[in-house]
Amino acid sequence: GAGVSQSPSNKVTEKGKDVELRCDPISGHTALYWYRQSLGQGLEFLIYFQGNSAPDKSGLPSDRFSAERTGGSVSTLTIQRTQQEDSAVYLCASSWATGHNEQFFGPGTRLTVL
Amino acid sequence: AQTVTQSQPEMSVQEAETVTLSCTYDTSESDYYLFWYKQPPSRQMILVIRQEAYKQQNATENRFSVNFQKAAKSFSLKISDSQLGDAAMYFCASGGSRLTFGEGTQLTVNP
Repeated sequence: GAGVSQSPSNKVTEKGKDVELRCDPISGHTALYWYRQSLGQGLEFLIYFQGNSAPDKSGLPSDRFSAERTGGSVSTLTIQRTQQEDSAVYLCASSWATGHNEQFFGPGTRLTVL
Repeated sequence: AQTVTQSQPEMSVQEAETVTLSCTYDTSESDYYLFWYKQPPSRQMILVIRQEAYKQQNATENRFSVNFQKAAKSFSLKISDSQLGDAAMYFCASGGSRLTFGEGTQLTVNP
């Protein structure tokens, strides 16, 4: 079946603009995660959703970052008033449930803020 | 809080030889899992192997195996009979719902 998909693949924006990044998880997966990977570094947890429970937002770096998951499926990560330090690859993953299930990753969105 | 440390930014191995990638972690959780993920230039993160912390037996997946030392909080990955397709960035991760990743080891496989 189809894996996790993310769009756009690449996004270039100007400082101060808002951007939306989209994630389509694997069908049936109830858990969805967002990570950020800065150049040459590991992945940094941002947020995760599990079913209808309140999301764990503890990794969001500032109030300019927000995410929602509509209908328990597609998720959108929004960055308002982008800054140059927001430039990174944003990776989405999904799993059958939270806990210790394998997370399946999408190909990521490379965000460049000029 | 959890931390994961990979002390080898780069490693190289000859094709068909064996290489070991190091990882240490620190966690306050009593129940956790450990993972090795591979990230080729395509950016796609691929799970290589997973270890349940409550299991003493080391996980094995074909040419990939781990040496899990719980007391030492060490979780190394051994790749046997290295192949050109193994060349990638390898990340060690620990946790459950939210994974904490190390900074990665870039593995080069020389023909």
